[in-house]
Amino acid sequence: GAGVSQSPSNKVTEKGKDVELRCDPISGHTALYWYRQSLGQGLEFLIYFQGNSAPDKSGLPSDRFSAERTGGSVSTLTIQRTQQEDSAVYLCASSQQGGLNTGELFFGEGSRLTVL
Amino acid sequence: QKEVEQNSGPLSVPEGAIASLNCTYSDRGSQSFFWYRQYSGKSPELIMSIYSNGDKEDGRFTAQLNKASQYVSLLIRDSQPSDSATYLCAVIRNDMRFGAGTRLTVKP
Repeated sequence: GAGVSQSPSNKVTEKGKDVELRCDPISGHTALYWYRQSLGQGLEFLIYFQGNSAPDKSGLPSDRFSAERTGGSVSTLTIQRTQQEDSAVYLCASSQQGGLNTGELFFGEGSRLTVL
Repeated sequence: QKEVEQNSGPLSVPEGAIASLNCTYSDRGSQSFFWYRQYSGKSPELIMSIYSNGDKEDGRFTAQLNKASQYVSLLIRDSQPSDSATYLCAVIRNDMRFGAGTRLTVKP
């Protein structure tokens, strides 16, 4: 596609339920990032995929969070047993290259998660 | 210590003035530096990148980098109300980390 696509755009769930958020990066982009942004806050790094390398999971806040990237393209962020503090906008971004050669990140419109 | 620190603001300047936004980073091995702009309810978009010490100018925007001081800044000349947004500093070591952002308001 022309840009980074994320789904769903909005998700309301009950505490304790699992949720999956999807990101379809720009075709050919090798680097993919997930960030979380709470209301009025900056971007909190969650996880980074670069090509076929092992992902950098250092930002995942707990073992309830996991992510995968299949075939070097689409990525899914899964949050198990959601808590109210998980409520935020989850942003996905991709870049043509990664590591020190990372240039501009192109962001999706985000998935707004509300945990009741 | 946070990896990337910014004054959260808010910063308010009159139209036509110079807005100065500052950022410090903790990892001396960081190589690349970026400024993103985020309008309310929208996703961030890149406005400037800088890789070497000194100044880089693009229109009304000037990015400044001082690696010895681990300091990056963004100057916006002739500020316009349309510049009102949150400005995010980002730094690359192995992956891209963002500061908390500085909210800028340009008053007509």
